[in-house]
This record gives sequence, structure tokens and C-alpha cells, in this order.
Amino acid sequence: EVRLVESGGGLVQPGGSLRLSCTASGFTLSNYEMNWVRQAPGKGLEWISNISSSDNNKNYAESVKGRFTISRDNAKNSVYLQMNSLRAEDSAIYYCATGDVYFRHWGQGTLVTVSS
Amino acid sequence: DIQMTQFPYTLSANVGDKVTLTCRASQSIRSWLAWYQQKPGKAPHLLIYKVSILESGVPSRFSGSGSGTEFTLSISRLQPDDFATYYCQQYNTYPWTFGQGTKVEIK
Repeated sequence: EVRLVESGGGLVQPGGSLRLSCTASGFTLSNYEMNWVRQAPGKGLEWISNISSSDNNKNYAESVKGRFTISRDNAKNSVYLQMNSLRAEDSAIYYCATGDVYFRHWGQGTLVTVSS
Repeated sequence: DIQMTQFPYTLSANVGDKVTLTCRASQSIRSWLAWYQQKPGKAPHLLIYKVSILESGVPSRFSGSGSGTEFTLSISRLQPDDFATYYCQQYNTYPWTFGQGTKVEIK
């Protein structure tokens, strides 16, 4: 069974940092392009970043460019999102998802709250 | 960025009804459109990609159509499990963008 599990969310002060992890089981993550998609409470979905299977191509939404960094460790079947200079508007559930253009498999999400 | 607009924002319907949801792109996205279903407290679930191709396991009562800037998702006979929020997503141009969602609720 394909499974993605996110972790690392929590409460952080504005300007702080968090590192989210997404660990895959039931399939070889190295074969897939991976994405982070977030959803603010009660709001819609926002794609924020993806990384190619070989780790040589990364893309970001303007809203996070320069503050967030996506990475992966295929040996650990994991993808990461380093989030720096966090703002209140970054508060959301963060999902990892497989896919190069649309998103077939999703994790359950991890909640990030940015508040003082 | 390509703006995706969905309407109606909320749709009230009965079990057994046929419903049609609309998604409009701010510029042509050719056929690069996906639809997702999301239930409260759950991750989105891929229903359709490339406008009309049903994801494996998705019931045939779901169908998609359109091209360019105007797209629809139809549910032929609404089932209790179909009451949820539906999102469209374009993947023609970075950044990939979603519509704001249409909530299908019980009348």
C-alpha cells in the first residue's frame, strides 16, 4: 500500500524555522517527483514546491521562494521542506504528494501554526 | 499566474441528482486540468486528470469535459459519499494553481 507520512509541524513564532519531513512506504520514492501543497485553515489548496526524482530540478511558488527549500534523500525514502522566516500567512496544513504535474498520492498532512 | 475560478461556490443537491461543477481558467490551459475531491479533515483525492481521464478506482458516475479555459466536472447520480469539496487544478504553466473549490452539500 502506498503511504506518505508527514511530520515536523507545530507551533512556531514569526520569523522562526521548521523542517517538515515526508516519508514514503509501499513504493520507491526515488522514482517519483514530489510536491508540497498547503492548505490554510478553511481555505483552498496552494501548490508551493516540487523536486524532480533525481533531485536536479526544484520549483517554488513565489509566496515561498527564497524562504523555503525542498530536498530529498532517496536512500531514506524521504522528502523535506525547510521553512525559514516563517510568517503568519504560512500557517496551514502541509501535504506532501507524488506527481510531476498532478497529484496522485497524498499524505495526511502536518499542521504548521505561525503565531506569537 | 493562471487564475482558476470555480462556480458555484456551494451547490446543494439531493442523492440521485446529476450535478455539474464549472472551472474557468484565466488563460488557455489546453487539456492540462485535474479534479480532486476533499472531505473534511482528509487529504484531497485525485479523481480526474487531463480533463477527462478517470483515476483508477474512481466511479464512472464522475466525468470531466472541456478544453482551453472552460471545464466541467459532472456527477451523474449523486451518492451520499460524494458530498465533499471539489477542486480543479491546472498544470499547463508553473506555478500549478487550484480553484477555490466547490462544496457539494446535501439539500
